[in-house]
Amino acid sequence: NAGVTQTPKFQVLKTGQSMTLQCAQDMNHNSMYWYRQDPGMGLRLIYYSASEGTTDKGEVPNGYNVSRLNKREFSLRLESAAPSQTSVYFCASSGQGAVSGNIYEQYFGPGTRLTVT
Amino acid sequence: EDKVVQSPLSLVVHEGDTVTLNCSYEVTNFRSLLWYKQEKKAPTFLFMLTSSGIEKKSGRLSSILDKKELSSILNITATQTGDSAIYLCAVFNDMRFGAGTRLTVKP
Repeated sequence: NAGVTQTPKFQVLKTGQSMTLQCAQDMNHNSMYWYRQDPGMGLRLIYYSASEGTTDKGEVPNGYNVSRLNKREFSLRLESAAPSQTSVYFCASSGQGAVSGNIYEQYFGPGTRLTVT
Repeated sequence: EDKVVQSPLSLVVHEGDTVTLNCSYEVTNFRSLLWYKQEKKAPTFLFMLTSSGIEKKSGRLSSILDKKELSSILNITATQTGDSAIYLCAVFNDMRFGAGTRLTVKP
């Protein structure tokens, strides 16, 4: 049981390049999320998917797109990377089966550290 | 605009001290508040609070929500060096997080 996995762990991009961050969960959770974390700013929600086939914008969606490929996988795409997108990106999931018994408990992946030069 | 504000932003204490971390919020249609602990990497879930005045407890950690004051506190008693982390609160409606409190516990 791997929980939430993210690839890659590190990435360096040049301005204007594109890339996709991958996230997968094996807990059969309905909801998945993408966050970015910048120093001194906590976590900010980029997009989320309440269930397979749906996606919604979070607090900071500009410059990003997402795909909920199936129940397990939720990818985040940067079409034209900018230095302002340098950050640590976390994927999370939530749903039935949480250890706490709370369906809103989020399980986070290990993060992707992205640098855009 | 919805806001979640945590205080203090950082705190240094010695082992055995008791600390109180604060989280205040201004959000429309509040549903619940969550606390997380973030050590080196990913945040881990601590508590979810929905009802005012009901304390949630786990070992030396406890938390309570005050809906009148639009705030929550997280208490840690008899702190240990292993409690050193960033503590984050979030409001569930739109998963808006505060900036976090960085707690450092010195031996």
